Amino acid sequence: EPEVTQTPSHQVTQMGQEVILRCVPISNHLYFYWYRQILGQKVEFLVSFYNNEISEKSEIFDDQFSVERPDGSNFTLKIRSTKLEDSAMYFCASSGYDANTEAFFGQGTRLTVV
Amino acid sequence: AQTVTQSQPEMSVQEAETVTLSCTYDTSESDYYLFWYKQPPSRQMILVIRQEAYKQQNATENRFSVNFQKAAKSFSLKISDSQLGDAAMYFCAYRRGNRDDKIIFGKGTRLHILP
Repeated sequence: EPEVTQTPSHQVTQMGQEVILRCVPISNHLYFYWYRQILGQKVEFLVSFYNNEISEKSEIFDDQFSVERPDGSNFTLKIRSTKLEDSAMYFCASSGYDANTEAFFGQGTRLTVV
Repeated sequence: AQTVTQSQPEMSVQEAETVTLSCTYDTSESDYYLFWYKQPPSRQMILVIRQEAYKQQNATENRFSVNFQKAAKSFSLKISDSQLGDAAMYFCAYRRGNRDDKIIFGKGTRLHILP
């Protein structure tokens, strides 16, 4: 069964450092998303991406964040200068062309900023 | 703005019994989808069941079924014959009918299964 793959599963970084979270969406999907879940809290939408551009972004997705699909298969989330409050689980998701298809989530990357 | 509300932060059920998790939502849209996601300790998000708003029939997936009350904007999840592996965080979620729209999650209900 096709799946969304995220790497790394856990990343520890120092405050102020840049991190790149990587995702390989399902191959024939066209819509890509990043969500964030701070420990014990709800899952929050960060950004959606379609046709090589951002479709929608939330208030959380400020200038410190960027997304890219560099090679047609990977989908990355970059945080330029990490803050302690960026510590969270980050989920990538993808969905297909048909509105009836649900979003498939990756297993998540746990980001810890120290 | 669309919102999803889960009023039960935690619930417990005896193994083999039935439990119902509540969810209400608010939207002015007529075309939308509702979901229940399970998040076990591994923290992966697993889709449990999906309901299209235009369908009157309640969705069912094996031991999981929903009670979709569109007029009341209610979408509860019933788990029958609860098993130890059902212990997890359950999130109710909403998405508009546009194919690229984001999913909006509730705060979740932590379900404990008592052996």
